[in-house]
Formats: sequence, structure tokens, C-alpha cells
Amino acid sequence: GDSVTQMEGPVTLSEEAFLTINCTYTATGYPSLFWYVQYPGEGLQLLLKATKADDKGSNKGFEATYRKETTSFHLEKGSVQVSDSAVYFCALSELQEYGGSQGNLIFGKGTKLSVKP
Amino acid sequence: DTGVSQDPRHKITKRGQNVTFRCDPISEHNRLYWYRQTLGQGPEFLTYFQNEAQLEKSRLLSDRFSAERPKGSFSTLEIQRTEQGDSAMYLCASSLTPRTVATNEKLFFGSGTQLSVL
Repeated sequence: GDSVTQMEGPVTLSEEAFLTINCTYTATGYPSLFWYVQYPGEGLQLLLKATKADDKGSNKGFEATYRKETTSFHLEKGSVQVSDSAVYFCALSELQEYGGSQGNLIFGKGTKLSVKP
Repeated sequence: DTGVSQDPRHKITKRGQNVTFRCDPISEHNRLYWYRQTLGQGPEFLTYFQNEAQLEKSRLLSDRFSAERPKGSFSTLEIQRTEQGDSAMYLCASSLTPRTVATNEKLFFGSGTQLSVL
């Protein structure tokens, strides 16, 4: 079945460092891809998404590009801040009957990011 | 818009007891999802509702689990005869999604109910 694999954490970086969190997926069709973030004590929030190959999702300085050839959706940020400390989840969604993505998501295990001042 | 609300935030119970959790979605959101998240893992889909209809159930949802959304608004998730393996964070999410139009669904998650079975 479909699955998502993301790099193991925790990841500890200094402020202003470059961030990459790797995510690869296995899917039978052409899923939509997502990054969700979970800040301490809060619910999951959608960070960014991409719905087709070569799409780039971006938000709050984070970016990820849907690479069909490598089945990857790596998360990057050029300069992290202490406030980016959170757990990041890569996820995929199969196409709905009428197209688009749906909320039945398959998540990776999450990567905990800690940013030190 | 107060977001997705879940109650209680924490529940401690003894093995064999029944527990019920409640989820209040964002007002007028027609879809409601339940997920389960264990320590060190990502959330796993359990079931979802389109209005009051339960449209899909994961094989993870054993017959000890039952979910309802009687009026298409709030939902309850009941676990009967709890087992230690049921200890997890139970997450609820909602969205406003037309069923017959292609769209990219956006989920809004609650903060979850943490269940500990002793």
C-alpha cells in the first residue's frame, strides 16, 4: 500500500542554519503531498502542499518540490528560527473520485526539529 | 471560528473500561475525521464522516471502536473494553469539502485527546 518515509530525528540546528528534512513516498497513483507541522501543545497545521509533479509548495520560508522521478518531497528552509522548533510530518493523499485530494492522509513518522539560539 | 475542539484533553482509564471522546468540528464543516497517533509515529487514519454518514473505516478500527456523528455536527468516538494498546493520542480533524467537485481538501486538526490505559 501507499506509504511515506521521512528522515529520522531529532534534528538539532543553530539559528539561521539551512534545513532539509527528507521525505520519500510510495504510491500507486499520483497523490497530493503535504507537510504538516505540530508545535508544542498545539494541533497539526498544514504547512504547505503540492498536488502534481514539479509543483512547489511554499509557506513561511519553507519550500518543498514534488519530484515524481525520485518520489520525493523534501522540506527545506534557508534560515531556521527558534520559533520553527516543532515536529514536521510529511503526508500523502490519494486522489478523490472527482479529482483533487482528500483528507484520508497517510503520514510519515515525523521529524522533531530543535533550533538553538 | 474557534477551531476544532476535543474533549477531554486527557483521559486515564483502567483496562477493560469503556471511554468516549467528543469532537466539535469547525462550524459548518461537513467532513470530520478521526486519527490515532502513538508515540513516535505519525497519525493513522481511523474513519471519516461526510455530514452524518460514516463513509470510510480503516482496518485499524476494530469492533471495539465505534464512531458516530448523529446530526452531522459533533462526533463521538467510543472504545469499549479498552486495552493497553489503545493508549494513544486521538485526533479529530474537519474540513469543508464539496463531494462532487474536484478540490484539494484542507484539514483543520484539534489538539487531540491523550488516552492512557493502565
